[in-house]
Amino acid sequence: DTEVTQTPKHLVMGMTNKKSLKCEQHMGHRAMYWYKQKAKKPPELMFVYSYEKLSINESVPSRFSPECPNSSLLNLHLHALQPEDSALYLCASSQVGRGAKNIQYFGAGTRLSVL
Amino acid sequence: DAKTTQPTSMDCAEGRAANLPCNHSTISGNEYVYWYRQIHSQGPQYIIHGLKNNETNEMASLIITEDRKSSTLILPHATLRDTAVYYCIVRVAGANNLFFGTGTRLTVIP
Repeated sequence: DTEVTQTPKHLVMGMTNKKSLKCEQHMGHRAMYWYKQKAKKPPELMFVYSYEKLSINESVPSRFSPECPNSSLLNLHLHALQPEDSALYLCASSQVGRGAKNIQYFGAGTRLSVL
Repeated sequence: DAKTTQPTSMDCAEGRAANLPCNHSTISGNEYVYWYRQIHSQGPQYIIHGLKNNETNEMASLIITEDRKSSTLILPHATLRDTAVYYCIVRVAGANNLFFGTGTRLTVIP
């Protein structure tokens, strides 16, 4: 099983709403990632969790709040977003540690529209 | 991570080999070359990676030049389902960051 599952597939929210994106994997991977992808652009790394601890934050605004409740789950909490935050949000997971191939497996993404 | 340069777009006839080039002239000795692709409306998909030797798997072959400054991804018999954006990424093995460049949009033509 090399599946990363993201929910919901689509999300429309207002600028005052609070919502959460969810990501789940059962491959035993101990690194999980959030990426943001604008239309016709490459994915951009937002956050990296390694062994359930935040290891990389690519200067992401605080209106995006990641959470890794356990080794299989990754959440992205959204609050007070702006229309320019509309994008495809991708989750990925990989092995970690010395010698690991560190191949990232991606979910299909959540397409977010902020009105 | 070293920067990569790829052509913006390429076409390939169905059934023919697709050869996608990538330049990475500033690659370091401990950096690997990874290839991913992204089919429309899907997440990126890992294809193959290598350090200095040529590699082959069920999806593709990766040819790395002896000086490691460039590489070519080969899809031996392209199908319509191979139409996608192909990303060449250089990074240190074990590093958690994965920085995508602009990639090559491959269109397989019937």
